[in-house]
Formats: sequence, C-alpha cells, structure tokens
Amino acid sequence: KQEVTQIPAALSVPEGENLVLNCSFTDSAIYNLQWFRQDPGKGLTSLLLIQSSQREQTSGRLNASLDKSSGRSTLYIAASQPGDSATYLCAAMDSSYKLIFGSGTRLLVRP
Amino acid sequence: GAGVSQSPSNKVTEKGKDVELRCDPISGHTALYWYRQRLGQGLEFLIYFQGNSAPDKSGLPSDRFSAERTGESVSTLTIQRTQQEDSAVYLCASSRGAGYNEQFFGPGTRLTVL
Repeated sequence: KQEVTQIPAALSVPEGENLVLNCSFTDSAIYNLQWFRQDPGKGLTSLLLIQSSQREQTSGRLNASLDKSSGRSTLYIAASQPGDSATYLCAAMDSSYKLIFGSGTRLLVRP
Repeated sequence: GAGVSQSPSNKVTEKGKDVELRCDPISGHTALYWYRQRLGQGLEFLIYFQGNSAPDKSGLPSDRFSAERTGESVSTLTIQRTQQEDSAVYLCASSRGAGYNEQFFGPGTRLTVL
C-alpha cells in the first residue's frame, strides 16, 4: 500500500529565502507525482506534475524533482514571498490512477 | 466553464438525512475523481470514473456512500443517513484521461453534519 510522507510538517522562513520541501513515497511504481498548494478554505491548485519517466519540472520560481528509485521528490521554491504562504501537498498517482496524498507542509513566509 | 465547479459550496445537514453533492468537470475531461478531507487530516480517495463507469470504488467508506456520472460530464456523490463523521470537505477533480494526466480540483463542498 502506497504511503506518502512530507517533511517538515510546518516551516517558517523570512521573505527572500530559498527553501526545499520534501516528499517521500514507499512504492516506486507510480505513474506520476503532482505538487499542489492549498490556501485556507479553498481547493487545491496544481503547481507541477512530474511523469514517472521525468527527473524534474520547472515553473517560474518552482522546481520539482523526482527520484523514483529512492522514493523521493522535492519542491524547491526560490526567493520566497509572503504570497507563497500556504499548505503544500504532494501526491503520487498509483497504478489504479488515484492520487495518494501526503499530509502537507504548512509554509509561512514572513515579510 | 474554465475549471471544475462544485455545488453547493457549503451544506449543513442533520444526522440521518441524505445529501447530494454535485461536480461539473472541465469540458472534455473523461476522468473524474472524488476525494474528501476531514478536519486536520489529509485527502483521501473515494471513487474514480472513467467515462460513466467507475472502475475503482475502493475508497468509498461505507455502503451509505454512492456516486454516479452521466453523459461523461456531471457527477453526483450521495451520502445516505449522514453521520457526524461524514463531516468533511468533499473535493472533485477531473483530468483529460487517467494515468499520465494532471488532475484539476474544484473548490470543494464543505459538509457539516449536526
């Protein structure tokens, strides 16, 4: 059974810092891995999707990497801004096409 | 519409009543998913549709939960005889197809069972 873990559970950084969020999964047989952000009281916004055959994806200040063999993914946020404050979720798609979510990292970027 | 829409946005009901939650996926998306997020917990998968059929219902927590999809479009999640533990945000997502495609989420329906 796939299990997804995110570390740290919470993170507080000053504006401008570069930061890394970690995601690990127990079963390497995934179709893809997706990173989302969730703002309080709102739905999920997709940030990046990495297919199982890919190593990384970039969008603006965000870069996500995937290492299937070690069961790890990281989300790198460059030059963080207060508007980046949210909960970040990673989710691995299993062989039956459902997303298995981690419990998230709550990020606070202080002005 | 541009994105996945869900209705109602909020639903308060009394224990024992039935509720219906609706999801309108992005036009042309053949795959549709339901998830729920209970307070302080992570998202958990409920059911997946490919077209109008549901190949994976493994996440439905009990036989009080059912879902259907018609016309490869709108989907309805029905909870019968609601219990307090059903209180959660119910999220719907759609994608162009299963497997390799990105899932896009709606804003969710917040269900409160008194």
